[in-house]
Amino acid sequence: GNSVTQMEGPVTLSEEAFLTINCTYTATGYPSLFWYVQYPGEGLQLLLKATKADDKGSNKGFEATYRKETTSFHLEKGSVQVSDSAVYFCARLTGNQFYFGTGTSLTVIP
Amino acid sequence: EPEVTQTPSHQVTQMGQEVILRCVPISNHLYFYWYRQILGQKVEFLVSFYNNEISEKSEIFDDQFSVERPDGSNFTLKIRSTKLEDSAMYFCASRPGLNTEAFFGQGTRLTVV
Repeated sequence: GNSVTQMEGPVTLSEEAFLTINCTYTATGYPSLFWYVQYPGEGLQLLLKATKADDKGSNKGFEATYRKETTSFHLEKGSVQVSDSAVYFCARLTGNQFYFGTGTSLTVIP
Repeated sequence: EPEVTQTPSHQVTQMGQEVILRCVPISNHLYFYWYRQILGQKVEFLVSFYNNEISEKSEIFDDQFSVERPDGSNFTLKIRSTKLEDSAMYFCASRPGLNTEAFFGQGTRLTVV
């Protein structure tokens, strides 16, 4: 079937720590992959995307590489900031529909 | 920068009442969606809309729900006879075409009491 599995949260990190949020997907074909971020009290905002295998999406210091061999799209950031505290959603687009992971809550403490 | 706008931002309604959630997608976008997020849970697909008709809907989107695009700009979600479990944040989204990201609105928080 079509699904997205994300690392369970919540995640708490100190400022400047390294962040990894795992995401794997199952899908037929080659879906486009996305990370969306939801800051407290706000809607979903696109963080980055990758549309084909080996593509690397990047934005605001975050990166994720589309790995077909491991069906993964892990989100990474080398040095997190307090302002990165939010809920992060991995998503895939297959056909006309987006499928979201359960979301991973990140809290960065000073 | 163009954005998807949703109104109201918060709606409180009594159980059994009908509500209409409104969305103005980004102009020239072709695909429209409604999603919901029950507090603390995942974002769930409700329905997609293309070419003036529903293209896909989830099991959640039963006869209680309907969508309309009454004019060239608005995209509405109607929930008839609301239930307590309909309380959630409802997100509207639009896309310009295939293989593009979705642009989400800020959401409408629906509280059924």
